[in-house]
Amino acid sequence: TQLLEQSPQFLSIQEGENLTVYCNSSSVFSSLQWYRQEPGEGPVLLVTVVTGGEVKKLKRLTFQFGDARKDSSLHITAAQPGDTGLYLCAGANSNSGYALNFGKGTSLLVTP
Amino acid sequence: GAGVSQSPRYKVAKRGQDVALRCDPISGHVSLFWYQQALGQGPEFLTYFQNEAQLDKSGLPSDRFFAERPEGSVSTLKIQRTQQEDSAVYLCASGNRAGGGEQYFGPGTRLTVT
Repeated sequence: TQLLEQSPQFLSIQEGENLTVYCNSSSVFSSLQWYRQEPGEGPVLLVTVVTGGEVKKLKRLTFQFGDARKDSSLHITAAQPGDTGLYLCAGANSNSGYALNFGKGTSLLVTP
Repeated sequence: GAGVSQSPRYKVAKRGQDVALRCDPISGHVSLFWYQQALGQGPEFLTYFQNEAQLDKSGLPSDRFFAERPEGSVSTLKIQRTQQEDSAVYLCASGNRAGGGEQYFGPGTRLTVT
């Protein structure tokens, strides 16, 4: 059961465009993480957000945690081909115990 | 290397065979997690170890799945009498905080059951 819904599922854009992907849930999370996964590799942690309303920036990537800590977004400015990959959000809360609950991911393709 | 390593990277098993998947976590990491990732899906939690203690095995799909971490470092995930639905990527992650915190993933083992 995936408690986190990600949208869009697939996104194909050209280099230089901006994009936003969303991660939504009806559950409250104590923390939420974003990962990027490339084919044949494990997920690589990008950021962790813990406070409602928190905004974190990582170069051209901006992450926001919703005020109610039920949703999050990832915005990429001026996308580059190196941004291509599967973006996964994952949340933890008291109901999940030790587990991270992952969404299905957004598959991003950036073409030159 | 400094990261999580897993072996083998690829495993093909005939239905009914037993398999063993190995995870070498980052040295000194207390927490170790196993996840299963089916094609087109996000990872699904299988089990959690804090040092050598298996504190949560609620995600193991059946009693054919067994995991151990006897000395609190290397872990092995064993699947007995493999079935086709066991075909997936098995990911191991480790973390330096007990019970939670950031998790660092290995490259995974892709298991194909024929």
